[in-house]
Amino acid sequence: IAGITQAPTSQILAAGRRMTLRCTQDMRHNAMYWYRQDLGLGLRLIHYSNTAGTTGKGEVPDGYSVSRANTDDFPLTLASAVPSQTSVYFCASSDSPDSPTEAFFGQGTRLTVV
Amino acid sequence: GQNIDQPTEMTATEGAIVQINCTYQTSGFNGLFWYQQHAGEAPTFLSYNVLDGLEEKGRFSSFLSRSKGYSYLLLKELQMKDSASYLCAVRESNYQLIWGAGTKLIIKP
Repeated sequence: IAGITQAPTSQILAAGRRMTLRCTQDMRHNAMYWYRQDLGLGLRLIHYSNTAGTTGKGEVPDGYSVSRANTDDFPLTLASAVPSQTSVYFCASSDSPDSPTEAFFGQGTRLTVV
Repeated sequence: GQNIDQPTEMTATEGAIVQINCTYQTSGFNGLFWYQQHAGEAPTFLSYNVLDGLEEKGRFSSFLSRSKGYSYLLLKELQMKDSASYLCAVRESNYQLIWGAGTKLIIKP
């Protein structure tokens, strides 16, 4: 693995089903983020983690949960999917929350809830 | 409230120069980022400004005026591969990034 990897790449999900989007990074970054990107809107922060063992709510956290058991992994769970959660989801990481260097993004997960 | 404004779409000619503006109103300021995003791909970092002034990096430059809540990204010697969306993001005092909706740049031969 080089960088940050998301799985799956795309998914069609029935409404009401539970789904976990996986995110793994091998850069030993402390901070990790989950965003959703919808047409005409900017990236919106769902949840974040400044360091392993801690998480926080972003701008649009409802219907989503995260965990950060270790430095490398930051899964995002939709407990009961709804059509409004159809979006492209990006996981990102950075060295630290206040780092002047960039955040690195995974390739994205395109989720369609039907 | 929090708000970041960018033009939705711009068109420019190959070889020319284009300036993409970004204005912001946020809860505190801890730096401004520009990212490039090609269609169907992840955003990639272009530049970071935290102090007023111009940061130059090859064909790309970014300018910041904190007092005006204003930044621009300047792209010189445009190439067809520069066709992409350009995202402006401001890091607030709580270190969270607030993102603009992006500017889709179309390059014509």
